[in-house]
Amino acid sequence: QKEVEQDPGPLSVPEGAIVSLNCTYSNSAFQYFMWYRQYSRKGPELLMYTYSSGNKEDGRFTAQVDKSSKYISLFIRDSQPSDSATYLCAMKKGYQLIWGAGTKLIIKP
Amino acid sequence: DTAVSQTPKYLVTQMGNDKSIKCEQNLGHDTMYWYKQDSKKFLKIMFSYNNKELIINETVPNRFSPKSPDKAHLNLHINSLELGDSAVYFCASSLGTGQETQYFGPGTRLLVL
Repeated sequence: QKEVEQDPGPLSVPEGAIVSLNCTYSNSAFQYFMWYRQYSRKGPELLMYTYSSGNKEDGRFTAQVDKSSKYISLFIRDSQPSDSATYLCAMKKGYQLIWGAGTKLIIKP
Repeated sequence: DTAVSQTPKYLVTQMGNDKSIKCEQNLGHDTMYWYKQDSKKFLKIMFSYNNKELIINETVPNRFSPKSPDKAHLNLHINSLELGDSAVYFCASSLGTGQETQYFGPGTRLLVL
């Protein structure tokens, strides 16, 4: 069993919809929780990171962590076609990041 | 100015050949990484250097050898290339080992025929 589970999708939604992306994890030792966005043929770029349970908002993006359930989410409000990308969750353990498989998101105009 | 750059961007080669990928960062970071991303987009850490010292050495074939001549450069040499080595290789850097933000290069797409 992988330490971080993420549904690879693809997830296809119409423009303007609220998108929910999720990861579950098994290791309580994970500290920081991150969401990276990767456009096609590009490297991943950090969107948001959180440390504690609860919500963190940045514009149209909200990251949520529930440590008791070992579950993290990324919500995208008013989704745009430019949000179409692969979203990867990552969690810090020691020196390294443990990555989810990435969810491919498609926003249809 | 590109923060993390990799060369080459594309590499097509025959099985059994030896090849190198170069990475440079101009962010002044202390820590650099090599990742392999397979066709299913799964990112797997291979190596990490902090100030030219190897700190992460995951279970990869010893045909892969990283080299960090200085903290701004981390190269990856691959001997006796195999079909299964075909993937996208990403270089990344971070301020230090405790920093969560990793900055990625554009990737090197390796195809072994």
